[in-house]
Amino acid sequence: DAGITQSPRHKVTETGTPVTLRCHQTENHRYMYWYRQDPGHGLRLIHYSYGVKDTDKGEVSDGYSVSRSKTEDFLLTLESATSSQTSVYFCAISDMDLNEQFFGPGTRLTVL
Amino acid sequence: GNSVTQMEGPVTLSEEAFLTINCTYTATGYPSLFWYVQYPGEGLQLLLKATKADDKGSNKGFEATYRKETTSFHLEKGSVQVSDSAVYFCGRSGGSNYKLTFGKGTLLTVNP
Repeated sequence: DAGITQSPRHKVTETGTPVTLRCHQTENHRYMYWYRQDPGHGLRLIHYSYGVKDTDKGEVSDGYSVSRSKTEDFLLTLESATSSQTSVYFCAISDMDLNEQFFGPGTRLTVL
Repeated sequence: GNSVTQMEGPVTLSEEAFLTINCTYTATGYPSLFWYVQYPGEGLQLLLKATKADDKGSNKGFEATYRKETTSFHLEKGSVQVSDSAVYFCGRSGGSNYKLTFGKGTLLTVNP
């Protein structure tokens, strides 16, 4: 299995608080992605990174920011959480020589 | 743009029944095609893939053939087991920075 971990695995927070989710990889893959998974919507890309300090927006980036200061870590931040951001968040990694993504175990976030 | 349309389900089958989950994709470029599986409480795992027209991906008794003429990549299994109960996602590559586009997922339940 690809070495991808996510932390925390579960989090409950209140509306208006900041939240940071962490994705850590041990595969030295160049590309990293954050998705959210919601019933009826499947997987939607939030942000992705194509290298250290290189990031770009996905299809549902409003309300989220990311940072990648080193190859192995990709952080997703909700500056001020809202109830609409209650979801399961998945991190994924990919290497340019492969043509597939490997997924982490997910973080279940509940915003009350 | 790139998109994937898959049978939404849910699909309920008896053990040893034949499974088909339909998937079609937009024909832009020369995408690789994937099926991922998500077991309850877990992240997505790559089930099989095909990288060019007429390729057949196979794994764990599942098969899918890359059909360029019908822009399809239908997932099939001849005899499903209870342990195959999961959500199945069809996906295609072809976006910039190795992004994948996923269908909305199909929930399969197999009863004994």
